[in-house]
Amino acid sequence: DAKTTQPNSMESNEEEPVHLPCNHSTISGTDYIHWYRQLPSQGPEYVIHGLTSNVNNRMASLAIAEDRKSSTLILHRATLRDAAVYYCILRDTMDSNYQLIWGAGTKLIIKP
Amino acid sequence: GAGVSQSPRYKVTKRGQDVALRCDPISGHVSLYWYRQALGQGPEFLTYFNYEAQQDKSGLPNDRFSAERPEGSISTLTIQRTEQRDSAMYRCASSPRPGTSGGAGEQFFGPGTRLTVL
Repeated sequence: DAKTTQPNSMESNEEEPVHLPCNHSTISGTDYIHWYRQLPSQGPEYVIHGLTSNVNNRMASLAIAEDRKSSTLILHRATLRDAAVYYCILRDTMDSNYQLIWGAGTKLIIKP
Repeated sequence: GAGVSQSPRYKVTKRGQDVALRCDPISGHVSLYWYRQALGQGPEFLTYFNYEAQQDKSGLPNDRFSAERPEGSISTLTIQRTEQRDSAMYRCASSPRPGTSGGAGEQFFGPGTRLTVL
């Protein structure tokens, strides 16, 4: 399975944009890039996913590099409620590779 | 609507006892996943179902662990002869699409069951 690399932690100020990086240099052409987050004492929560093009939804934006070997999750205006562990995960579209293989994620700390 | 629910939320048991953890997925969701999560780590896949069929149980640590979903809805994860190393948060997730459908497929997670084996 293709793996992802994320920084262990990041800090940001409240109401400022946050860019969370993820490297996936061994990504295959059929891998989707998923982002989940896990707030303290809660289960993981889906954030966004993409394949090749940049994606936007109400929670965040996902910017995917042209070679797809890296991506960035963008929180446009972070609030204290966005403090969580953010996981970048690759999921193969093909065949039966349905599993989400989770790493340790990036712990995002929001400073008031 | 109601999300994924799990029960019990907390379970303390003695080593050697059997435990059964229940997951009630979102109504109509086709696939159901079980994960185990240690403190400070991401979830670790255990097994998953499409409808009532267990598609993959390769993540189950050993034969003391089993899971079923007899009617394609509620699922039970059973751990027999529990050991202290089984202590963890056990999470269930469901998705509206079959796990083998390929592509994306958002998974909705429940609150988890915190299992402590003394």
